[in-house]
Amino acid sequence: RKEVEQDPGPFNVPEGATVAFNCTYSNSASQSFFWYRQDCRKEPKLLMSVYSSGNEDGRFTAQLNRASQYISLLIRDSKLSDSATYLCVVNKPSGGATNKLIFGTGTLLAVQP
Amino acid sequence: GAVVSQHPSRVICKSGTSVKIECRSLDFQATTMFWYRQFPKQSLMLMATSNEGSKATYEQGVEKDKFLINHASLTLSTLTVTSAHPEDSSFYICSARDLSRGSPYEQYFGPGTRLTVT
Repeated sequence: RKEVEQDPGPFNVPEGATVAFNCTYSNSASQSFFWYRQDCRKEPKLLMSVYSSGNEDGRFTAQLNRASQYISLLIRDSKLSDSATYLCVVNKPSGGATNKLIFGTGTLLAVQP
Repeated sequence: GAVVSQHPSRVICKSGTSVKIECRSLDFQATTMFWYRQFPKQSLMLMATSNEGSKATYEQGVEKDKFLINHASLTLSTLTVTSAHPEDSSFYICSARDLSRGSPYEQYFGPGTRLTVT
């Protein structure tokens, strides 16, 4: 089983649509969760952290379900500029001071005009 | 703030040569930097953790003698791909943690280096 699993997509949605991405992780000891966005041939950029109580940033809402080890990202009112690959990222507890991040393979979103 | 640069952004080299990639934290000090590799349509895979002033920690399956890492200062880590072969062609990305801000797990990424070995 992969440490972080995502549906690779692609998700093709029209502008203005609402789209949701899901992610599951295998290590129950993980404590930090993120969604990153990666544009084609570019580096990943932090979109938002995911908190236990759920959090919202404009059109983006992230949810965490620790019991099910499940993370979600909801994008409302999709824009053309939202087209990218969305990476689910989870920390891997490894002891000591260094915390590693484990990346999912990403979900490709294509917003159509 | 929290800007990480990489150089070069793109490099093409012949098989058997060595390539050095630099990763710099421009506006913060980074005691820890990370080196990732990403093949097409795949996820970022952590290769090694670079610690300032000490040896790097390599992930399982990554050859430390092939991928030499030096983290000699708080703002610079280098990755040298020695005796590069075509299968080493990939997108190499570094990241750094800024412990003065944000989550201790949050990493800031450089723009990546696209290596092509012919």
